[in-house]
Amino acid sequence: NAGVTQTPKFQVLKTGQSMTLQCAQDMNHEYMSWYRQDPGMGLRLIHYSVGAGITDQGEVPNGYNVSRSTTEDFPLRLLSAAPSQTSVYFCASSRRGIYEKLFFGSGTQLSVL
Amino acid sequence: AQRVTQPEKLLSVFKGAPVELKCNYSYSGSPELFWYVQYSRQRLQLLLRHISRESIKGFTADLNKGETSFHLKKPFAQEEDSAMYYCALSGVQGAQKLVFGQGTRLTINP
Repeated sequence: NAGVTQTPKFQVLKTGQSMTLQCAQDMNHEYMSWYRQDPGMGLRLIHYSVGAGITDQGEVPNGYNVSRSTTEDFPLRLLSAAPSQTSVYFCASSRRGIYEKLFFGSGTQLSVL
Repeated sequence: AQRVTQPEKLLSVFKGAPVELKCNYSYSGSPELFWYVQYSRQRLQLLLRHISRESIKGFTADLNKGETSFHLKKPFAQEEDSAMYYCALSGVQGAQKLVFGQGTRLTINP
């Protein structure tokens, strides 16, 4: 099993550009989530999903969109990138929710110039 | 609002010494608490959960509701314990949201 796969690992964007961070899991997990990690701030929840077709906002959702059309995939879209979105992004999944073990991806390092 | 505070950004102890990583939380209800760990060049992974009352790799954590704390402890540190440790809280029942602390980097000196 590959577990949780994030692509790309690194990305540089210009202000105003759009892009999608990909997250896929092959464990048939219902719960998927996106976090951003900034220096000195730990991980902050952006969006999460408890199953295909169901998404909800986390702590810091502004500037990001998500969708969950399949159980396996949970892409994160930046519609118009801003320098404040420079961060390391992590995708995580679990079988049914946060009370079960979260499996994390390896992260995407995003720089917005 | 739910908040998790890890007051130490860096913690350094000698091999064989006891380790305590502090975690304080802010939540008025009954919290569920977790410790996650990231070893060098590895992914973030669950270390232990309050609801499981388990001990993993010699680590334990006790929920103290009076002091709103969930400190992580190990009686004898090992070099392989060097890592970044995050405390996390889920407060509102049924809400699938984890709030993480800022993390503590633990270094075990030989």
